[in-house]
Amino acid sequence: NAGVTQTPKFQVLKTGQSMTLQCAQDMNHNSMYWYRQDPGMGLRLIYYSASEGTTDKGEVPNGYNVSRLNKREFSLRLESAAPSQTSVYFCASRAGQGMNTEAFFGQGTRLTVV
Amino acid sequence: QQQVKQSPQSLIVQKGGISIINCAYENTAFDYFPWYQQFPGKGPALLIAIRPDVSEKKEGRFTISFNKSAKQFSLHIMDSQPGDSATYFCAAKKDAGGTSYGKLTFGQGTILTVHP
Repeated sequence: NAGVTQTPKFQVLKTGQSMTLQCAQDMNHNSMYWYRQDPGMGLRLIYYSASEGTTDKGEVPNGYNVSRLNKREFSLRLESAAPSQTSVYFCASRAGQGMNTEAFFGQGTRLTVV
Repeated sequence: QQQVKQSPQSLIVQKGGISIINCAYENTAFDYFPWYQQFPGKGPALLIAIRPDVSEKKEGRFTISFNKSAKQFSLHIMDSQPGDSATYFCAAKKDAGGTSYGKLTFGQGTILTVHP
């Protein structure tokens, strides 16, 4: 049982390049989330998907787009990377609103934009 | 706007000591308060959580104390061990109803180092 799997684990981009971070969960969870982690800032929500077919902005959505491809997969896209997007990105999932409130996190993607 | 404020930023304790991390929140709609533990290179993992209808929850060496009137909650780690060295995040979530869909609001994190 893999839980939440993120790819890639590490990535270096040049300013202006684009890339997609992939996330997949095998727990049949309804809700999925993308967070970024920066020193002294904790984890901040970028986008979330309450259920398949829906997505909504979180606290820091600017510069990002997401796609809930199916129930298992939730991707995060950077269209034109900026140095301010250097961060560690975490995908998480949970069963759904009001149910099994624990959120499970992937191991993270460390992104550096130069 | 930081809705959950966590302190201290870093903490060093000796093996066998008590580690205490504090959090304060602003949104009275929060009704679920988890603590996450994160080891280097790993994602956060749920450690212990509490709902505001109880003032304390204990699981092994880990205890959450909750003060609803003060809008504060804290994590106590008794008999701290070097293996407890990690980053700890408090969080808050509005879990029932509404359109929040379980979005976690995190504190800034505390780096705990337990010396042998």
